[in-house]
Amino acid sequence: DSGVTQTPKHLITATGQRVTLRCSPRSGDLSVYWYQQSLDQGLQFLIQYYNGEERAKGNILERFSAQQFPDLHSELNLSSLELGDSALYFCASSVVGGRPERYNEQFFGPGTRLTVL
Amino acid sequence: DQQVKQNSPSLSVQEGRISILNCDYTNSMFDYFLWYKKYPAEGPTFLISISSIKDKNEDGRFTVFLNKSAKHLSLHIVPSQPGDSAVYFCAASENDNNDMRFGAGTRLTVKP
Repeated sequence: DSGVTQTPKHLITATGQRVTLRCSPRSGDLSVYWYQQSLDQGLQFLIQYYNGEERAKGNILERFSAQQFPDLHSELNLSSLELGDSALYFCASSVVGGRPERYNEQFFGPGTRLTVL
Repeated sequence: DQQVKQNSPSLSVQEGRISILNCDYTNSMFDYFLWYKKYPAEGPTFLISISSIKDKNEDGRFTVFLNKSAKHLSLHIVPSQPGDSAVYFCAASENDNNDMRFGAGTRLTVKP
């Protein structure tokens, strides 16, 4: 158990709909990251938040948005869903400034499997 | 753009033998590299890392080698065990930025 929780575990919805994925980081972690893993694809970095502020942006579509709340939990909003958005969405958290040899270690949640029909 | 590449989607080895997983990168600014292991229905878990000031880091059965001139790193598992069967992701980041770029993963199967 990494200490990172994600809800829901599974989500099935229709094209054109909007969904919200939720992530609670490990206690004390200030950074939250979102990743997308499509079938047979690697983890694609979407976006990072640090202490409530957007810190880095990856391959995130304009239809997707995220935010990190004062209690440090984060939500990923996916709108106007398309079939191709079906994927596993992972959230990870990290402590910036940890031990140097594990400085960049990110702890991953179990993921949310999104199926768009 | 795929800055981190794992060109072998799968690898099968016999229990007790060495597993070698390879990873190439294109961004010369990357200075920290990590390997993650992922079991089905679970999130990836950190395995081992190496910074660009080193060319080797060892942790038990796992050793990561970094060849900066070739922009190549590899993960060696010796001896391989059936419990090592998983998908292994290579990841890289630059400076203090925790924005990691992941490869597509290599599925390792260790046969008893």
